Amino acid sequence: DAGITQSPRHKVTETGTPVTLRCHQTENHRYMYWYRQDPGHGLRLIHYSYGVKDTDKGEVSDGYSVSRSKTEDFLLTLESATSSQTSVYFCAISGGLSTDTQYFGPGTRLTVL
Amino acid sequence: GQQLNQSPQSMFIQEGEDVSMNCTSSSIFNTWLWYKQDPGEGPVLLIALYKAGELTSNGRLTAQFGITRKDSFLNISASIPSDVGIYFCAGGFGNNDMRFGAGTRLTVKP
Repeated sequence: DAGITQSPRHKVTETGTPVTLRCHQTENHRYMYWYRQDPGHGLRLIHYSYGVKDTDKGEVSDGYSVSRSKTEDFLLTLESATSSQTSVYFCAISGGLSTDTQYFGPGTRLTVL
Repeated sequence: GQQLNQSPQSMFIQEGEDVSMNCTSSSIFNTWLWYKQDPGEGPVLLIALYKAGELTSNGRLTAQFGITRKDSFLNISASIPSDVGIYFCAGGFGNNDMRFGAGTRLTVKP
């Protein structure tokens, strides 16, 4: 298994509060991604990073920001959580011979009340 | 959004039966990936395909990259109860841009 951890694994918060999710990898892969998974929508890309301090938006980036200050850590921040951001969030990494081959973390289940 | 059509959406099979599922797209992909997701867990990579026509096996699993580069299939032979889960396909354009299928939910009856 790829060395990817996510924290926290579960979180319940209230509307309007800031939330930060962390992804940590031990594979030294260049690329890191944040997805959300919702019934009927499958996996949708929020943001991704192609290096330290290098990030770009994905399909559903509104309301989210990211930061990557070290190769191994990729943070996803919800500045002011809304109920529509209730979801399961997955981090993924890729690198090596094929940057398309993504490996996923265990996920964070976020509930915004 | 999703540009992959994955079918079937769900399957109910008897233990020991073979399973086949596929993904099709209007887009041409450089990479096809197949994942399995168990409840409460992240998707786990099963097979990665990088060339049109490529046929790759991983134990009882076999997947092929269609020669048109617009489709892929996954076969599971002699299913067992632990095969239960959701199987996803993903197509990659070669620039970190991936598209995911909606998943096939597999149920295996002992």
